Amino acid sequence: NAGVTQTPKFRVLKTGQSMTLLCAQDMNHEYMYWYRQDPGMGLRLIHYSVGEGTTAKGEVPDGYNVSRLKKQNFLLGLESAAPSQTSVYFCASSYWASSRYEQYFGPGTRLTVT
Amino acid sequence: AQTVTQSQPEMSVQEAETVTLSCTYDTSESDYYLFWYKQPPSRQMILVIRQEAYKQQNATENRFSVNFQKAAKSFSLKISDSQLGDAAMYFCAYVLYGGATNKLIFGTGTLLAVQP
Repeated sequence: NAGVTQTPKFRVLKTGQSMTLLCAQDMNHEYMYWYRQDPGMGLRLIHYSVGEGTTAKGEVPDGYNVSRLKKQNFLLGLESAAPSQTSVYFCASSYWASSRYEQYFGPGTRLTVT
Repeated sequence: AQTVTQSQPEMSVQEAETVTLSCTYDTSESDYYLFWYKQPPSRQMILVIRQEAYKQQNATENRFSVNFQKAAKSFSLKISDSQLGDAAMYFCAYVLYGGATNKLIFGTGTLLAVQP
């Protein structure tokens, strides 16, 4: 049971390049999330998904797109990277069971856009 | 909209001493959960402790305990017998029970330093 995994762990992009971050979870969770973490701002929600085939915008969605074609995978895309997207990105998945809630996080991806 | 506020950007504690991290939140809902997460330099987010709003008893996990004041919308974390390994960023978070999205709302974090 690997939990939540993210690929890649580090990436450097030039302005205008595109890339896709992959998140995978093996816990059969319905809910998945993409956050970005910037100094002094905590974790901010970019996009989220409440189930396979559904996605929705979070707090800071501009410049990002997502897809959830399979329940276990949640992809985050940057079509044209900008220096303002330099950040650490976290994927997470969550579940409710017997009134107990838990959100599991991936290890993060450090992205630098030059 | 729900918000979570951590008013202490940085804190410091001596090893073996006790420290309290503050968190306040704003919600009009009555049924929710609150969490403290720890993020060490490895970046991994680690759940420290959770509190269900319907429970009056404060949650405790070994050296970590909370002071949950529902009416005041306050949720502080107490770390007793601080250890060097407790040095990390700590985030307070809120989730609405039974919500459609199960989104966690985070505070901006408190960076805790532990002095030997």
